[in-house]
Amino acid sequence: DGGITQSPKYLFRKEGQNVTLSCEQNLNHDAMYWYRQDPGQGLRLIYYSQIVNDFQKGDIAEGYSVSREKKESFPLTVTSAQKNPTAFYLCASSTAGVGGNQPQHFGDGTRLSIL
Amino acid sequence: QKEVEQDPGPLSVPEGAIVSLNCTYSNSAFQYFMWYRQYSRKGPELLMYTYSSGNKEDGRFTAQVDKSSKYISLFIRDSQPSDSATYLCAMTRNQFYFGTGTSLTVIP
Repeated sequence: DGGITQSPKYLFRKEGQNVTLSCEQNLNHDAMYWYRQDPGQGLRLIYYSQIVNDFQKGDIAEGYSVSREKKESFPLTVTSAQKNPTAFYLCASSTAGVGGNQPQHFGDGTRLSIL
Repeated sequence: QKEVEQDPGPLSVPEGAIVSLNCTYSNSAFQYFMWYRQYSRKGPELLMYTYSSGNKEDGRFTAQVDKSSKYISLFIRDSQPSDSATYLCAMTRNQFYFGTGTSLTVIP
């Protein structure tokens, strides 16, 4: 079955530590996205990528980094510079439509907590 | 003013009721409108995707778009306990804008 796989489901970060969240898709989608979801705040865009080897900052990119070396994969690193990383992180993908208007499909998320 | 406004609820209804979920938006340039359903500890799942004003039906779900009023709705007929989830509206104008979600509980 085609879909988006996020791992791990739960992740704990120690003070000063960088952690990497995995996102893999087999939908053959060109575009991939990372969102952060906090209670009462909805989804906030961290980074997105329209094609391999290219990505753009979203609304809250500070303290995060990404790479897009393969079409199927879009890992997110939460760095020690992100002072409030506790949240539910969602990865999404879509076909590359004009203006980015194609619906996004989501993985089941990674919940990151601070130790 | 937020681009997309959605009442967070919570909304609680008896099984079999008709549910109405709504979002308003401020920018008339929005072109595509979506509804997602999100179960607890899961990612959002696409329910409906519409472009123009009017209604789109899929089983027990009907999406309604009124561009003149900048208002979209999702109706759920014969609601079931399995419909208990958070419902997110979304719309696009070269990028995605999501509502904050409405929490729905259907009581057996």
